[in-house]
Amino acid sequence: GQNIDQPTEMTATEGAIVQINCTYQTSGFNGLFWYQQHAGEAPTFLSYNVLDGLEEKGRFSSFLSRSKGYSYLLLKELQMKDSASYLCAVRDSNYQLIWGAGTKLIIKP
Amino acid sequence: GAGVSQTPSNKVTEKGKYVELRCDPISGHTALYWYRQSLGQGPEFLIYFQGTGAADDSGLPNDRFFAVRPEGSVSTLKIQRTERGDSAVYLCASSFQRGETQYFGPGTRLLVL
Repeated sequence: GQNIDQPTEMTATEGAIVQINCTYQTSGFNGLFWYQQHAGEAPTFLSYNVLDGLEEKGRFSSFLSRSKGYSYLLLKELQMKDSASYLCAVRDSNYQLIWGAGTKLIIKP
Repeated sequence: GAGVSQTPSNKVTEKGKYVELRCDPISGHTALYWYRQSLGQGPEFLIYFQGTGAADDSGLPNDRFFAVRPEGSVSTLKIQRTERGDSAVYLCASSFQRGETQYFGPGTRLLVL
């Protein structure tokens, strides 16, 4: 079967760094996406990885290792507005997105 | 429009009733997706349109659910004989082409009493 695993909840301090991990087992692999979802709102696109390595975009970076079926999202200089759920999604061989349940990130002052 | 829009934003209905949920994708996007999301879960795929045709409807839970996209733009998700278990947020997303980054609408919160 297809499976995406992420921690259910994480807590971090304002100004700090946090790493949200995602492991996956899917029918084929055609890229991995990270989305941010604030409570009661729609998911918004953060990053996309299809090759191994690190993609940096401002305070957010995303890493992919295809051989390990592993990705992480790194958030630096955390702000209160970063409190949200972070969803990992893998595009499988049918170009369908398989979604994790999301990681709820709580930022404390 | 600038983004994906969905109407209504909230819908309360009674068990057994029929509902229609509308999605207006980003102009020029050929691919359109419907998802369902329950609290604390990721989006659950329902159906994918490429142009006017339903290219993949494998996620529709049963024959009470149906979706159309007659002119390749606006789509309507139709649910017959609603059940309490249908209560969820129904999200619509679109992408320029199949497989590209999906952009989501604000969702329709459906509550079946």
